[in-house]
Amino acid sequence: AAGVIQSPRHLIKEKRETATLKCYPIPRHDTVYWYQQGPGQDPQFLISFYEKMQSDKGSIPDRFSAQQFSDYHSELNMSSLELGDSALYFCASSWGAGYQETQYFGPGTRLLVL
Amino acid sequence: AQKVTQAQTEISVVEKEDVTLDCVYETRDTTYYLFWYKQPPSGELVFLIRRNSFDEQNEISGRYSWNFQKSTSSFNFTITASQVVDSAVYFCALSEADNNAGNMLTFGGGTRLMVKP
Repeated sequence: AAGVIQSPRHLIKEKRETATLKCYPIPRHDTVYWYQQGPGQDPQFLISFYEKMQSDKGSIPDRFSAQQFSDYHSELNMSSLELGDSALYFCASSWGAGYQETQYFGPGTRLLVL
Repeated sequence: AQKVTQAQTEISVVEKEDVTLDCVYETRDTTYYLFWYKQPPSGELVFLIRRNSFDEQNEISGRYSWNFQKSTSSFNFTITASQVVDSAVYFCALSEADNNAGNMLTFGGGTRLMVKP
């Protein structure tokens, strides 16, 4: 079965640079979520989109922005990168945006900021 | 305040032993869902199970079983006859129906399980 696709899988950036992470949800899934997992930590919710509209916002820094496009893929844009942004970034998708929906996660993008 | 607590940060067992991973949650909602995810060394998060707050039946899937007890706000996960491939970090997560909570998952800190041959 098709899974969530994330690209790139690995990314190395310098401080103050920008990065764009992409997420392609499971076909027919209309909701996308972004999570950040620091080393040795649990995933922290950043933001979610349902039918191309932002549905919830978590602890996403103002330097980050995201959107969901007409084909339901999503992009997370990160600017003025800081060392502390080094983390594993997960995208998840679900069919529907309710609390009861199972979120299926992609393989993650590992971002290293030098 | 921590909503999902996994008190065991690390567990080490020998292959074929049974092991239980604890998960305690707190919520004011009467309607919520609980999840377990597995994160193997390769890093991806793999969905294992979803359970709603109105269904306290235990569930068994192969070597995996889950014990949900609302009275103690616990949703524990047992692996029977553990195998080396079970080595991973396991996360318990909560999703609440409260509108203010949104549709985000709140994860516990995770339990690292090491199964030795």
